[in-house]
Amino acid sequence: AQTVTQSQPEMSVQEAETVTLSCTYDTSESDYYLFWYKQPPSRQMILVIRQEAYKQQNATENRFSVNFQKAAKSFSLKISDSQLGDAAMYFCAYRRQTGNQFYFGTGTSLTVIP
Amino acid sequence: ETGVTQSPTHLIKTRGQQVTLRCSSQSGHNTVSWYQQALGQGPQFIFQYYREEENGRGNFPPRFSGLQFPNYSSELNVNALELDDSALYLCASRIGLAGGNTGELFFGEGSRLTVL
Repeated sequence: AQTVTQSQPEMSVQEAETVTLSCTYDTSESDYYLFWYKQPPSRQMILVIRQEAYKQQNATENRFSVNFQKAAKSFSLKISDSQLGDAAMYFCAYRRQTGNQFYFGTGTSLTVIP
Repeated sequence: ETGVTQSPTHLIKTRGQQVTLRCSSQSGHNTVSWYQQALGQGPQFIFQYYREEENGRGNFPPRFSGLQFPNYSSELNVNALELDDSALYLCASRIGLAGGNTGELFFGEGSRLTVL
């Protein structure tokens, strides 16, 4: 069974600094997708970034980038130049290429300190 | 473009009752999934509907059931409510089925169910 582990329940970062959120996953598949979702207090989950496992290049979306280590089954999220609006719960998620189900981690609560 | 909308946003039920939650998918999306998010946990997959048929199911008992309508909107029904059913229920939509694309999910704001 696929599992997603986020070992940091809470993280904090100074405004304008950089923070990295960790995620590991367990799978026997070779083709899959990985995602980071953000859930602010308003509750709506918003996609931050996604990575296709067959791509070696790490995905980047503006201030957000990932460090995808396929052999280590690690998928960390780096947020650069942190802003107050980045404060939220962040969930790492996995989906098999041919699967319907998303597997989510337990989340990391990010606080941004002004 | 209209996003995913859910109703009601909050509701309180008592143990043993039944509840129906509703979801309108994002415009152009024909696949709807439901997730249960207990307090302090990540979302757990309940099931998915594609073209009005259940297309995948997580580890939830049969008292969790659903429907998808021709306009791709969806309902989640839960019978014989238990205290542990208290959670945020998230609806998510996307285009098509798995394979061929990342299948990014677009979420609604959820329905907060409290069972007393």
